[in-house]
Amino acid sequence: EAGVTQFPSHSVIEKGQTVTLRCDPISGHDNLYWYRRVMGKEIKFLLHFVKESKQDESGMPNNRFLAERTGGTYSTLKVQPAELEDSGVYFCASSQVTGDNYGYTFGSGTRLTVV
Amino acid sequence: SQQGEEDPQALSIQEGENATMNCSYKTSINNLQWYRQNSGRGLVHLILIRSNEREKHSGRLRVTLDTSKKSSSLLITASRAADTASYFCATDGWGNNRLAFGKGNQVVVIP
Repeated sequence: EAGVTQFPSHSVIEKGQTVTLRCDPISGHDNLYWYRRVMGKEIKFLLHFVKESKQDESGMPNNRFLAERTGGTYSTLKVQPAELEDSGVYFCASSQVTGDNYGYTFGSGTRLTVV
Repeated sequence: SQQGEEDPQALSIQEGENATMNCSYKTSINNLQWYRQNSGRGLVHLILIRSNEREKHSGRLRVTLDTSKKSSSLLITASRAADTASYFCATDGWGNNRLAFGKGNQVVVIP
């Protein structure tokens, strides 16, 4: 079974530019989550999709961040325009809650550096 | 909101020793999970303990949960060099799938 795939693994962009991160969840996982870890701080929740619908987007920091999951498969997270404080590691996770199988599978993350 | 918070510590131990790390949280939880992150890799789910459980084992891992103290501990027995990683606890609450992570414990196992 393929895991959660994130692309790119690293991205370095200039302040003011746009970056789009992509996440491919495990096939069949309806739940898809975005988290991020800003340097030196804890991993913070950004948002949660159930299929193509945004179930909870309370963690999105501001309107420069736009997440989509068209068709309920892969998801993209766009940052436009990027600011210095957006630097960090962005993790995607997917899950299929069935009985006791309540585990999230995380991707390797995208390390975003805004300079 | 729930928040898993590890006692901030960096552990450096010899291979074969046990490693223990703790986590405290603030509000009622549904589950508490522990994750590992090796350098440059993603978060790997290690073990989940439900709020009505007190202890759970998985291989060399032992997790305890004390809901009265809102705390959990992760014990790794007979540590190996490959256990060198950051370890995070994460909690989720009733009615939502959102995980609240702590800052993580850095564990270094010296061969």
